[in-house]
Amino acid sequence: GAGVSQSPSNKVTEKGKDVELRCDPISGHTALYWYRQRLGQGLEFLIYFQGNSAPDKSGLPSDRFSAERTGESVSTLTIQRTQQEDSAVYLCASSLSGGASYNEQFFGPGTRLTVL
Amino acid sequence: AQTVTQSQPEMSVQEAETVTLSCTYDTSENNYYLFWYKQPPSRQMILVIRQEAYKQQNATENRFSVNFQKAAKSFSLKISDSQLGDTAMYFCAFKRGNTGKLIFGQGTTLQVKP
Repeated sequence: GAGVSQSPSNKVTEKGKDVELRCDPISGHTALYWYRQRLGQGLEFLIYFQGNSAPDKSGLPSDRFSAERTGESVSTLTIQRTQQEDSAVYLCASSLSGGASYNEQFFGPGTRLTVL
Repeated sequence: AQTVTQSQPEMSVQEAETVTLSCTYDTSENNYYLFWYKQPPSRQMILVIRQEAYKQQNATENRFSVNFQKAAKSFSLKISDSQLGDTAMYFCAFKRGNTGKLIFGQGTTLQVKP
């Protein structure tokens, strides 16, 4: 079946502009995650959605970052007033459920964001 | 706060040889899970192997196995009979039992040489 998809695959923007990154999880997966990966680095957790529960936003680096999820489907990560330090690959993942299980997180191919 | 440390930024191994990647973590939790993910140049993250902390038996998946030392908070990955397709960046990750988020190490770049 289809895996996690993300769009766009690459985004180049100017400093100060807003950007929206989209994630389509695997159908039936109730949990959705966003991570950021700076060049040559590990992944940093940003935000986690689980069903209808309040999202875990503990990883968002500033109030310029926000994310929404429509039901158990598409999620959008928005970065306002982008800065050069926001340049990174943004990865989305989904799993059957989160929380106490160790269900595998399936990752999308990521969106490479470049802020000029 | 939990941390994950991978002390080997880069490693190389000859094809068909065995290599071990190191990972240590710090936590006060008793219920947690550990993972190794592979990220080839295509950027697609792929789960290699996972381990539940309450299980003493080390996990194995074909050529991949782990050495889980709970008291030492160590979780190393052994790749046997290395293949060219194993060339990738490998990430160790930690998950607390009651949350979904993964905490990743900085990664180890593995090159398998023919």
